[in-house]
Amino acid sequence: AQSVTQLGSHVSVSEGALVLLRCNYSSSVPPYLFWYVQYPNQGLQLLLKYTSAATLVKGINGFEAEFKKSETSFHLTKPSAHMSDAAEYFCAVRAHSGGYQKVTFGTGTKLQVIP
Amino acid sequence: KAGVTQTPRYLIKTRGQQVTLSCSPISGHRSVSWYQQTPGQGLQFLFEYFSETQRNKGNFPGRFSGRQFSNSRSEMNVSTLELGDSALYLCASSLKTGYQETQYFGPGTRLLVL
Repeated sequence: AQSVTQLGSHVSVSEGALVLLRCNYSSSVPPYLFWYVQYPNQGLQLLLKYTSAATLVKGINGFEAEFKKSETSFHLTKPSAHMSDAAEYFCAVRAHSGGYQKVTFGTGTKLQVIP
Repeated sequence: KAGVTQTPRYLIKTRGQQVTLSCSPISGHRSVSWYQQTPGQGLQFLFEYFSETQRNKGNFPGRFSGRQFSNSRSEMNVSTLELGDSALYLCASSLKTGYQETQYFGPGTRLLVL
């Protein structure tokens, strides 16, 4: 079985401050890991994907995430928050299970950026 | 380049009915996946199709089914609708090249079951 835990359903940061959104996963097999963003009243957008090619993954809009196997973590960071980063962020794991690749999402973290 | 198109955008059905949702992927994308989003259960993966074959599936009952056509367009069908099927259904098309994957989501179909 696989699972994803996102710590903090709501995170507030000041504009220009570091953004850190936490994601821990469990998987019995090597997983693919994803971060998605959903802007208000819009669809999902893929931010970045970890595929084992590199532990530090750079995504769109200045976001990056680091895969740490020993900590089973895949935290999302951005050095300087912009107002436009206010959205809901979802971490997801995709791994083989029962002959299929199953995708499991975290419960999401809403990011508020304070001017 | 046109994005992912989902039709209809909004739908109201009653319990026991069946519904078919459509997704047209980005030209050249052969992989289409479906997701359900609800306030209570969050985001859940339904299934993925590639070249007309279901490659992956989530933990949904058999009432949820899908298919993909030769032009990569995909349909999702839900039979015997239940109140809990009210949700935003998202479709995504993907292009995978080695380790690289680009994935784009459609705007979703919002289904209300009364």
